[in-house]
Amino acid sequence: NAGVTQTPKFQVLKTGQSMTLQCAQDMNHEYMSWYRQDPGMGLRLIHYSVGAGITDQGEVPNGYNVSRSTTEDFPLRLLSAAPSQTSVYFCASRIQVLPTGANVLTFGAGSRLTVL
Amino acid sequence: RKEVEQDPGPFNVPEGATVAFNCTYSNSASQSFFWYRQDCRKEPKLLMSVYSSGNEDGRFTAQLNRASQYISLLIRDSKLSDSATYLCVVNGLTGGGNKLTFGTGTQLKVEL
Repeated sequence: NAGVTQTPKFQVLKTGQSMTLQCAQDMNHEYMSWYRQDPGMGLRLIHYSVGAGITDQGEVPNGYNVSRSTTEDFPLRLLSAAPSQTSVYFCASRIQVLPTGANVLTFGAGSRLTVL
Repeated sequence: RKEVEQDPGPFNVPEGATVAFNCTYSNSASQSFFWYRQDCRKEPKLLMSVYSSGNEDGRFTAQLNRASQYISLLIRDSKLSDSATYLCVVNGLTGGGNKLTFGTGTQLKVEL
């Protein structure tokens, strides 16, 4: 089925390790984004992209890098993992850049990351 | 004041009950509004967009009150399967452009 695919679903890292969370969508969506969700806090935007080759920072970008070499893929890299990055990460995409009533976010299933 | 505020709940209601959630937002330039549903350990999924005139989808009714800056979600004839966390999402104009802000969610538990 078409949608947003995230891998891995679970990951445990040690402090200082690096890793990449993968995100792919097959809906030809222009806009892709990464969020983190922590208890007691709303989803917070880490980075986003409005098209291949274009990325920008969101609300909480520190410690993360992204790239968008194709329309389909939007990987999130943790450069040197810290315990504060323990969270659930969601990739989300939508057809167009502006979130109008009919143009809404579709989320991936999430990646649970624990940093020891 | 948080940009988007929701009562975290939980709201414990019997099956068949009617339950309503409110969500307040602080940015008066907000343009579009949504309710998402999130099941435990799952991703958020769009429940419904919220339109100025109010809108209904089966047992679910969403309302927008721009003057008081809140949106509401009414669920009639609650089912066990409605148990989930309901996220209020607001799109507003900021200095940096459009910004989607998520509430922390309201937890609903429907019981026998």
